[in-house]
Amino acid sequence: QKEVEQNSGPLSVPEGAIASLNCTYSDRGSQSFFWYRQYSGKSPELIMSIYSNGDKEDGRFTAQLNKASQYVSLLIRDSQPSDSATYLCAVVPGAGSYQLTFGKGTKLSVIP
Amino acid sequence: SQTIHQWPATLVQPVGSPLSLECTVEGTSNPNLYWYRQAAGRGLQLLFYSVGIGQISSEVPQNLSASRPQDRQFILSSKKLLLSDSGFYLCAWTGAGKLDTQYFGPGTRLTVL
Repeated sequence: QKEVEQNSGPLSVPEGAIASLNCTYSDRGSQSFFWYRQYSGKSPELIMSIYSNGDKEDGRFTAQLNKASQYVSLLIRDSQPSDSATYLCAVVPGAGSYQLTFGKGTKLSVIP
Repeated sequence: SQTIHQWPATLVQPVGSPLSLECTVEGTSNPNLYWYRQAAGRGLQLLFYSVGIGQISSEVPQNLSASRPQDRQFILSSKKLLLSDSGFYLCAWTGAGKLDTQYFGPGTRLTVL
């Protein structure tokens, strides 16, 4: 069974620090990777997508992908209290799939 | 731009009652459509997906069913709700053809009493 694993947390960081969220996946054929943010009681919203090995930066967010290690991460620089949410890692398990496999999410708390 | 709607936003239903949740997408044609459930404190569970009108794939056997009567409309139904059906129901869409970025609707919070 194809799996996506995340540390459930909670991960607590002080305001202004870097938050590092990690995700591993089991299917070596996975091609597409996504990070979603979900505030309590709300639906997930897309933060980043990444398809190639290396780093991808968008504002305070950086996604990192290492396909050899089957590892994807999300760094949040200058963390703000408004970043407090659950972060979901999602993976497309192989070419041609119509489904995303989601991790259970990591809860992040940014302490003012 | 594309927009996805879900209704109702919240619903409280007695055990054994029927259910109908609706999802519609605007601004795109022939989207792939998905129904997920998120139980309290748990991850996203894919229930159904559809790649076209009348084409439904079920991921989890249960007392729920889905239909796609129109290109941009996706309906989740049940004839008799169970307590375990309580949760946050999310509809999502992607562009036609292959899976790319998946976008979620605002969700329906269902409580079965």
